[in-house]
Amino acid sequence: DIQMTQSPSTLSASVGDTVTITCRASQSISSWLAWYQQKPGKAPYLLIYKASGLESGVPSRFSGSGSGTEFTLTISSLQPDDFATYYCQQYNSYSYTFGQGTKLEIK
Amino acid sequence: EVQLVASGGGLVQPGKSLRLSCAASGFTFSSYAMNWVRQAPGKGLEWVSYISSSSSTIYYADSVKGRFTISRDNAKRSLYLQMNSLRDEDTAVYYCARDRQSSGYNDYWGQGTLVTVSS
Repeated sequence: DIQMTQSPSTLSASVGDTVTITCRASQSISSWLAWYQQKPGKAPYLLIYKASGLESGVPSRFSGSGSGTEFTLTISSLQPDDFATYYCQQYNSYSYTFGQGTKLEIK
Repeated sequence: EVQLVASGGGLVQPGKSLRLSCAASGFTFSSYAMNWVRQAPGKGLEWVSYISSSSSTIYYADSVKGRFTISRDNAKRSLYLQMNSLRDEDTAVYYCARDRQSSGYNDYWGQGTLVTVSS
């Protein structure tokens, strides 16, 4: 199975900051990567697909990049609603593995 | 509006069985592949199973292979997960999710149903 490793596990930031979360795959997954946001007690919410495709309705301050084995999710000008946990997921091949998550906290 | 409503969770003893259901509405269910994804308490997301729109292609995570069975009834717009030989480590919230392009990523998720395996 392809392993997905996110870093950092926890990230502290302030409203207005720009933050970057990294996701690394144990082997090349081309651009078959999605990013999700999850808030406590809620289902995940799709942000980015195919590494850099912005899901409809998602604010443009969210952006994704990368290919092969290294990917990033960047959130510009953090808003209070953005403090949540973020997961990457590869869908190059099943099992469709997720990263372990990055919790974005208010500093 | 796309809606996915999962049900069937509850408290079950180790070794027993449980069947989860997911009722879909607001889209042409028969045109979309579906996934089950679970989340143990306080832990991350774990993909469990995939079924194509026609049920011709099915995948399972190694952790549930041979114990869980995914199925669907397109006429009833419903997705199912039959879980047998349940273990403590199967305790989780189980989400059903719509697969955008039969590719493995999910654009809509249900609210989840909690399965607790405990004696």
